[in-house]
Amino acid sequence: DTGVSQDPRHKITKRGQNVTFRCDPISEHNRLYWYRQTLGQGPEFLTYFQNEAQLEKSRLLSDRFSAERPKGSFSTLEIQRTEQGDSAMYLCASSYQDGYTFGSGTRLTVV
Amino acid sequence: GESVGLHLPTLSVQEGDNSIINCAYSNSASDYFIWYKQESGKGPQFIIDIRSNMDKRQGQRVTVLLNKTVKHLSLQIAATQPGDSAVYFCAENDFGWGKLQFGAGTQVVVTP
Repeated sequence: DTGVSQDPRHKITKRGQNVTFRCDPISEHNRLYWYRQTLGQGPEFLTYFQNEAQLEKSRLLSDRFSAERPKGSFSTLEIQRTEQGDSAMYLCASSYQDGYTFGSGTRLTVV
Repeated sequence: GESVGLHLPTLSVQEGDNSIINCAYSNSASDYFIWYKQESGKGPQFIIDIRSNMDKRQGQRVTVLLNKTVKHLSLQIAATQPGDSAVYFCAENDFGWGKLQFGAGTQVVVTP
């Protein structure tokens, strides 16, 4: 078990481009969460899955954002038509019962 | 100090001293709390958790205290080491496994 893996670690994109991030949770964890963190702030909840079902979405998740977990294992987060305000660290976490485990995040910079 | 934008409250601690980091949580229905440590460029790292049916829980060099009356959580680090320098966040949850709500964070700086 290597923990929660996120790919890529860093992404620089031009405004208006689409980007996709991947998260591989701990294998036995059935719940997977996406958070966004900007400099100096705590992580903000975006969405979470139990197995393949997306159970809750934050108001932060505009229609340009979509997340999937097709087989209840890995998940992807796509941002369409990126804006400079999307620049942030995107964190993935997984859990089974207690004790959420976070990945190292994907740092997105929109230029 | 008060946290605004990039300016996190900072706790400066001398190596070997004990640290106390405080957190006020917002939801009286929260029943599960976690402390995380975050180093620059890394994701939050789990330190210790506590359920609302407990007042205190101890780990290795860390103790979490929960005061539900005033909705206050604290993290005590014994014999603070340079490797403890990081930003510390408290997080709360009101259902045991749904989303976590994070506090603003405290920057801990350990001086030799």
